[in-house]
Amino acid sequence: AQKITQTQPGMFVQEKEAVTLDCTYDTSDPSYGLFWYKQPSSGEMIFLIYQGSYDQQNATEGRYSLNFQKARKSANLVISASQLGDSAMYFCAMSLPSGYSTLTFGKGTMLLVSP
Amino acid sequence: DTEVTQTPKHLVMGMTNKKSLKCEQHMGHRAMYWYKQKAKKPPELMFVYSYEKLSINESVPSRFSPECPNSSLLNLHLHALQPEDSALYLCASSQPGTSLGDTIYFGEGSWLTVV
Repeated sequence: AQKITQTQPGMFVQEKEAVTLDCTYDTSDPSYGLFWYKQPSSGEMIFLIYQGSYDQQNATEGRYSLNFQKARKSANLVISASQLGDSAMYFCAMSLPSGYSTLTFGKGTMLLVSP
Repeated sequence: DTEVTQTPKHLVMGMTNKKSLKCEQHMGHRAMYWYKQKAKKPPELMFVYSYEKLSINESVPSRFSPECPNSSLLNLHLHALQPEDSALYLCASSQPGTSLGDTIYFGEGSWLTVV
């Protein structure tokens, strides 16, 4: 069975600084996908970034980048130049091959950005 | 703006009521999902529809009844709920296939309170 671990219940960062949110995973399947989602207090789950297990390069999407270290089974999210609007819960998730995607989520990290 | 639309945004219902949550997507996706999320917890998968057929039912009590009238619509019928069913209900969609990059896109959620 697959498992996602997020060890940071909460993180604080000042505006304009970079922050790294940790995520480790466990699966015996060689083929998997890793996702990060942002959930503001409004409830919507917003897709941020995706990394496939066979991707050679780390994924980047604007201010978001995924530091993928396959041997260590880690997929940390790096947010550069934090903004006040980045304050939210962040979930790391994993999917395995199937006819459709079902996500296993970590417990989440609450990020607070201060002025 | 999300392309998965959920209504209503907020719902308060009594334990003897019958109500429905509705979800619509216009991305041409053929897989749709219901997730349940309790406060300060990650989302938990309830149901998966793939090509309008129920593919996964994660042992959800029968007081929750999903329906997929067509490829764009997904309903969750609620009857005789308990106060512990109060949660955020998230609808999501993806394009099924063998690619792990089939990102799941979520709606804004429906906040349900059972009184």
